[in-house]
Amino acid sequence: DIQMTQSPPSLSASVGDRVTITCRASQDINNYLAWFQQQPGKAPKALIYATSSLQSGVPSRFSGSGSGTDFTLTISSLQPEDFATYYCQQYNDYPLTFGGGTKVEIK
Amino acid sequence: EVQLVESGGGLVQPGGSLRVSCAASGFTFSSHYLSWVRQAPGKGLEWVAIINQDGSEKFYADSVKGRFTISRDNARTSLYLQMNSLRVEDTAAYFCTIDVIGRHWGQGTQVTVSS
Repeated sequence: DIQMTQSPPSLSASVGDRVTITCRASQDINNYLAWFQQQPGKAPKALIYATSSLQSGVPSRFSGSGSGTDFTLTISSLQPEDFATYYCQQYNDYPLTFGGGTKVEIK
Repeated sequence: EVQLVESGGGLVQPGGSLRVSCAASGFTFSSHYLSWVRQAPGKGLEWVAIINQDGSEKFYADSVKGRFTISRDNARTSLYLQMNSLRVEDTAAYFCTIDVIGRHWGQGTQVTVSS
C-alpha cells in the first residue's frame, strides 16, 4: 500500500498569511494526488485533483504543486473560512490512501 | 445540483450487520465510479471501497475485505454498503463520494458498533 505522510500535523496562522502544507508519498504516484478541506462537523470538500487542477468553484488562493513523491498545497492569503483540516489522497493505485491531515488553526 | 444523501446508519452490536445507502441526484449516476469513505470519531479519513460504473469491478480496503460489500443500482441511482461481522473499530461516519478524486461528498451517516 502507498503511505501518505502530511506535515505539519497542525499549524497556527493569521488571516492574510501564506500557508503551505506538504504531503509525501511512499512511492511515485504519477501526480495522481487530490486535496480536501474539512471544516468541523462537516463533510470533506474537494479542492484539487491531479496535483494542481482546481475543482469547480474553489477560490484561486488555493494552489497545488509537486511531482513524484512530494506535493504541496498552498493557500496564498488565508481567509477566516479556511481554518479547517486538510487531507491529501493518492489515487494512483488501490487501496486509495489519505494523509493523516493538517489542522490549520487561528493564531 | 449534485446531491448525495446517505442513510441507514445506527447502533449495532459487534458481530452484527447493517446496510447503508446513498441516494444520488443531479448528475449522470451510471457514468461514474462511486466510493465509500469513513471517519472514526476524532480521526482522519479512511477509504473503504469503490465500484465502477456497471458494478463489474470492486475494490476494498484490507480492513473491510471479506466483511463489507459495495453495490449499486443505476436504475434507482443508489449506492449501497452491506456491512457484516461488524467490529467496534468500524464505528465511524460513512460518506459516499463520486469518482476516485472525491468530486462530491454526502453529509455522512453514523454507524456505531457497541454492546
